[in-house]
Amino acid sequence: DGGITQSPKYLFRKEGQNVTLSCEQNLNHDAMYWYRQDPGQGLRLIYYSQIVNDFQKGDIAEGYSVSREKKESFPLTVTSAQKNPTAFYLCASSMRGGTEAFFGQGTRLTVV
Amino acid sequence: AQRVTQPEKLLSVFKGAPVELKCNYSYSGSPELFWYVQYSRQRLQLLLRHISRESIKGFTADLNKGETSFHLKKPFAQEEDSAMYYCALKANAGGTSYGKLTFGQGTILTVHP
Repeated sequence: DGGITQSPKYLFRKEGQNVTLSCEQNLNHDAMYWYRQDPGQGLRLIYYSQIVNDFQKGDIAEGYSVSREKKESFPLTVTSAQKNPTAFYLCASSMRGGTEAFFGQGTRLTVV
Repeated sequence: AQRVTQPEKLLSVFKGAPVELKCNYSYSGSPELFWYVQYSRQRLQLLLRHISRESIKGFTADLNKGETSFHLKKPFAQEEDSAMYYCALKANAGGTSYGKLTFGQGTILTVHP
């Protein structure tokens, strides 16, 4: 079954801890994205990557880090520097010159 | 910098009425514009793209470069159209933000019976 998979679906973190959200795709897409979805603020871009071993900051990259060591994977680490990490996180992928982005089911992160 | 603005957070119409979801953008280059939709308990998915000039589920959207707008329209709304709608812009080649996909704040459409 082809697609983009995010795990886990729900994640709880204590304040001061780093946590990593997983995003895997088997669509052979070059580009991958991470968004944060908050009520009333829509989707805000955290990081994006057009190719393996390369990525760019989005609009709200502070307190987050990513890696792109494999084409299929684009994990997002929410660090303790992120002041308000409780949110719904969406991962997406697309062909590098493509016009459609495919989204995962999302991960809801709650800081307790 | 690129920006997408959807001025209405909420939009309510009755079944059979026309609906228009507004989208304005700012971008110095030649953009690609999209509308994405998220139905209840489903993934965010592409509804339509401006380059295709297509009509999907009765929805159309025309890119107006003069007004920098890409409004989504449907002449007769149906209850199953109730969803969250996002307008999105993709930066094209030639700049440092190539491939960057930016979304608006989203509009929740409710179609009442």
